[in-house]
This record gives sequence, C-alpha cells and structure tokens, in this order.
Amino acid sequence: EADIYQTPRYLVIGTGKKITLECSQTMGHDKMYWYQQDPGMELHLIHYSYGVNSTEKGDLSSESTVSRIRTEHFPLTLESARPSHTSQYLCASSDSGDNEQFFGPGTRLTVL
Amino acid sequence: AQRVTQPEKLLSVFKGAPVELKCNYSYSGSPELFWYVQYSRQRLQLLLRHISRESIKGFTADLNKGETSFHLKKPFAQEEDSAMYYCALGPDTDKLIFGTGTRLQVFP
Repeated sequence: EADIYQTPRYLVIGTGKKITLECSQTMGHDKMYWYQQDPGMELHLIHYSYGVNSTEKGDLSSESTVSRIRTEHFPLTLESARPSHTSQYLCASSDSGDNEQFFGPGTRLTVL
Repeated sequence: AQRVTQPEKLLSVFKGAPVELKCNYSYSGSPELFWYVQYSRQRLQLLLRHISRESIKGFTADLNKGETSFHLKKPFAQEEDSAMYYCALGPDTDKLIFGTGTRLQVFP
C-alpha cells in the first residue's frame, strides 16, 4: 500500500545524544520534505529534497542534517540533541510537477 | 513576500451553525491554494485544493484573486469537523507555505 512511514513515532532521549529520525515513502514520489511543528502550531519547513542526492535547507534554520541516497528514504539526523529540539517532526512527499504533499504520522521528540 | 495569513487561532461554533475559516495570501504570481486538516491524533491530510473545485465533507473554498483570499466554508458544522485547519500556498518553487492554522471547535 502506498504510504509514508516515520519511525520512531515517539522518542525520549537525553541531551547530547545523536539521533536519526527515519522517513520512508512507497508513493513513488521524487520530492520529500521535513517540517517541524509544535503541537497545534504552524509548520516550519526545515529540509527538502527534489530527488536523489538533492537536499536543501528550508525556511527555518535547523541544526539537523538530511540525506537522500535512495528515492524512498529521507532520514533526518541530529548530531547532538538539545532540549530546544523537542518538537514534532513531520515528513512529507509529493510527486514531480504537483504541489500536493502527503504527510507521514510524525515523530514526537522529547530531549531531556 | 510570499505569505499565508490565518487571522483566527480558534473558532468556536455550535453544531449546525455556518463556519468560515479565513485565509489570505500574499503572492505576485499565479497561486495554488490548499486546505489541510489535522484531526486529533491523526496525520495532516489534504482537505481540498482550489484547482479541483470539489466539495469535500461539505466544505468548499473559492479562490478570490481580487481579495487574495481562499476562505473555507461549510453551511452546517458537525462535531466531527473539530480539528486544526491549515491553509497553504503553493508557489512555483515546489514548496508549500503554511499558515499558522485555525483550531475549529464544534460544540454539540
């Protein structure tokens, strides 16, 4: 079934840990996105990719990094997590030539 | 500058009342507008987009280029409509610009 998957759904970690949030899609989409969203608040684009080996920073500055080695996979990494990184992270994808984005279920990250 | 404005953070109505969630945009080109909805404990999902001109779950939205608005309307609100609603602008750079969202509460 075509979908967007994010793991883990919930993550609680200590300050200074390195973490990777996984995002995979079986939609066959070229474009992928990462957003940061505090509960019930606006979405902030932090990274996006138009295809393999393409990554761009979004509108909100983020200490995270991303990679796009495979079309279906777009992981986000924080080298050293801090409490200010506590938020919900949403992954999305869209087809080439179309602006409609499809969202994953999100990862809720808490850094203690 | 490209911007989406949703002036209401919270909109509360009673069941059966009409609903209008406001959205204004700022964009000099030909805009593509979307409404996304996020129900409690569910993922963000597309409600409707202006190019499809569909009515989804009784909601409609008309693009008014003169007023640069894309307000979401429903004549009779239902309790299951309670959710966060986000208006989004899709300029030609393949990114979506989201508004700050409006929480709709429908009371019985």
